[in-house]
Amino acid sequence: EIVLTQSPGTLSLSPGERATLSCRASQSVSASYLVWYQQKPGQAPRLLIYGASSRATGIPDRFSGSGSGTDFTLTISRLEPEDFAVYYCQQYGSSLTFGPGTKVDI
Amino acid sequence: QITLRESGPTLVKPTQTLTLTCSFSGFSLITRGVGVGWIRQPPGKGLEWIALIHWDDDKRYSPSLKSRLTITKDTSKNQVVLTLTNMDPVDTATYYCAHTDLAVAGTGFDYWGQGTLVTVSS
Repeated sequence: EIVLTQSPGTLSLSPGERATLSCRASQSVSASYLVWYQQKPGQAPRLLIYGASSRATGIPDRFSGSGSGTDFTLTISRLEPEDFAVYYCQQYGSSLTFGPGTKVDI
Repeated sequence: QITLRESGPTLVKPTQTLTLTCSFSGFSLITRGVGVGWIRQPPGKGLEWIALIHWDDDKRYSPSLKSRLTITKDTSKNQVVLTLTNMDPVDTATYYCAHTDLAVAGTGFDYWGQGTLVTVSS
């Protein structure tokens, strides 16, 4: 089973700043199968990025994804107040796993 | 408009079997590429994938839970049913069902239900 590690565990930033979140896999993952979600307290996760770099419908272009192999990155170019949340990466190879999450807070 | 809704017991006793139903609308589970998955989240913790069923009845299970899980679909009722046997307090979590479509969102879950909190306690 592929294990995903996310870093940092918590990212403390201010509105307007750039956020860079990392997702590292224990073995190579096809970029086609790498996904990012945003989750706010009391809400279901929201799909942000699929295929490592494709934005889901309705996702603002300040969110971008990149990476390949074992290293993937989610970048939020300029944090808006509504972006403070927990972010999870997910892969679906032979099995499906989520990373432990990165909390982006003020 | 795609919607999903989870239903089932909110409280189960240890060793009992949990049966959850995901009722959905706005898509068909006979459409190529479409699937419905179950994901759970213990209070204050991260997401854990449980199971996934595809349009062609291909079923995938979490390796750690596989021996306890069954996922089925009823396309006439637009429902997916998950059963998890031998429940334990560590299975206490919010259980979500979610939609996936390979043609639209790759392997991501793009629509989610609101989730249902299941507590395991005697």
